[in-house]
Amino acid sequence: GQNIDQPTEMTATEGAIVQINCTYQTSGFNGLFWYQQHAGEAPTFLSYNVLDGLEEKGRFSSFLSRSKGYSYLLLKELQMKDSASYLCAVMDSNYQLIWGAGTKLIIKP
Amino acid sequence: IAGITQAPTSQILAAGRRMTLRCTQDMRHNAMYWYRQDLGLGLRLIHYSNTAGTTGKGEVPDGYSVSRANTDDFPLTLASAVPSQTSVYFCASSTGDNSPLHFGNGTRLTVT
Repeated sequence: GQNIDQPTEMTATEGAIVQINCTYQTSGFNGLFWYQQHAGEAPTFLSYNVLDGLEEKGRFSSFLSRSKGYSYLLLKELQMKDSASYLCAVMDSNYQLIWGAGTKLIIKP
Repeated sequence: IAGITQAPTSQILAAGRRMTLRCTQDMRHNAMYWYRQDLGLGLRLIHYSNTAGTTGKGEVPDGYSVSRANTDDFPLTLASAVPSQTSVYFCASSTGDNSPLHFGNGTRLTVT
């Protein structure tokens, strides 16, 4: 079956760096997405990786290794507003999105 | 309207009643989706539509139906609600294939 694994919850300190991991087993691969979801709100798109390597976008970076079925989202210079859930999703060979359950990130002052 | 609009924002519904959740987008996106989100689970696809006039079943379609009469609207109907359909429902759209999804603000539905 298809599966996306990510930690349920992580805690980090304001100003620090945190890495949220995502491992996947899917039928084929057409890209990996990261979304941010604040409590009670809709998910919003953060990043998309389809080739191996690091994609940097401001304070956020996303890394992909297709051979290892692995990605991470790196958040630098953490701010209190970064407290949210981070959702990893993989697009399989049928262009269907498979979603992880999300990682709740708690930022402490 | 800017983006995707869902209505209602929240609803309490008696079991056995019929309910339609509305979704409208103004981005002229071809593809639209309905997801449900439950605590501890990833987003689960209920139904989708790749273009106006076509629909398809997702991972959890039972008890739900959709229609796509035009590009902008994609309503989701619960014919006879059951308590297990208590959830937060998100409508989303995209230009297709591997483009990112744009989500509506969700409908929180409680079936009693």
